[in-house]
Order: sequence, then structure tokens, then C-alpha cells
Amino acid sequence: DIVMTQTPLSLSVTPGQPASISCKSSQSLLHSDGKTYLYWYLQKPGQSPQLLIYEVSSRFSGVPDRFSGSGSGTDFTLKISRVEAEDVGVYYCMQGIHPPYTFGQGTKLEIK
Amino acid sequence: QVQLVQSGAEVKKPGASVKVSCKASGYTFTSYDINWVRQATGQGLEWMGWMNPNSGNTGYAQKFQGRVTMTRNTSISTAYMELSSLRSEDTAVYYCARGFCSSTSCYTIIFDYWGQGTLVTVSS
Repeated sequence: DIVMTQTPLSLSVTPGQPASISCKSSQSLLHSDGKTYLYWYLQKPGQSPQLLIYEVSSRFSGVPDRFSGSGSGTDFTLKISRVEAEDVGVYYCMQGIHPPYTFGQGTKLEIK
Repeated sequence: QVQLVQSGAEVKKPGASVKVSCKASGYTFTSYDINWVRQATGQGLEWMGWMNPNSGNTGYAQKFQGRVTMTRNTSISTAYMELSSLRSEDTAVYYCARGFCSSTSCYTIIFDYWGQGTLVTVSS
């Protein structure tokens, strides 16, 4: 199975400051079709997860542009340019190239 | 608006089976794949499998092969996930999640809408 490793596991950020989460996969997520099957989800407290980013850097509909994704191969990053209070929750990366499709262990974002 | 509404919490004994439903509304049920993802209390997310509601085709994570069955009833736009031979480690919140379609492509394993989750507790 592909192992997804996120760092850090938690971070505390002052509103208006940036935040960055790293996700590394144990195998390349680049498919022969040219797409990279790496996604980001946010699970807000007490809620179901919600899609933020797909294919490394494409923002899902309605996701604020302060969220951005980057990376390639096995190394990926989610950045929040200016954290807001509503961004609290647990962020998960996920790979969709090889079943079983696996998630990272999650990164908990708190507001200072 | 798109909604996935799941059935209520269940308490089961070890060795029993549970069947969770996921009723879709606000879109054409047969046009989007349905996945099931579970989350043990305080833990991360675990993908279990997918189903194409149009064809009934399924794909399961090997971990659950032989224990999980995903089905649907298109007349009532409802997907089901049945897990058998339950053990305490299966205690978790089970989510259904819809596969995403962009303007050009559909993706089984990108989840754009999620159900509210169903807590399944396995306890003697």
C-alpha cells in the first residue's frame, strides 16, 4: 500500500499568518496519463471531510484562493496564505493512483 | 442542492452484520460513483471501496474483500454498504462520498460531497 506521511501533525497559527503542510508519498503519484492523483481534504470539527484541492493544485469549487497546492512525484505541499478562524480542523492528503487509496494521518490546524 | 443522507447509528454484536444506507438527492444518482470511507474515533480516514450506481460494478479495498458488499437501489437513489463478521475494530463512523465530475472528466476517487456519517459501534 502507498503510505502517505504528513508533517507537521499539528500546527498553531496566528490569524493572518501563512501555514504550510507537507505530504510525502511512498511511491510516485504521477500516472501514465500525465495526471498526478493527489488530493487535499479538510475535516472541520464535528463535520464530514470536504474537498479542497484535487490533482495537486486544482481548487475545488468554492474553495478560497488563499488555499494552494503544489508539488510533484512524491512530495506535495498545501499552503494557506493567510489563515482565518474558519480554517481550523484536520487536513488530510490522499492518493488516488493505486488501490487501496490511502490518506495521510492528518494535520490538525489550530488558531493561536 | 446535492445531499447524501445516511441512516442512523447502529450498535451491533461481534460477528453480526451491519447495513448502512446513503440516500442521494439533488443530482442524477446513476451518473456519479459512490465511495465508502470510515473513520475510527479520533483516528484518520480509511477508504473501503467504490460502486458505480449505474452498472452496479464495485471495487473494494483488499482489507475488506469478503466482508463488504456495496449495492444500490436506483429506484430510490440509495446506496448501501454492508459489512459482515463485525469485530470491535470496526467501530467507526462510516461515510458515503460521491465521486467528482469536472466539466471534462469524472473521477471515482475524488470525493466532492459526503454524507453526514453513520456511527457503527461493535460491542458485546
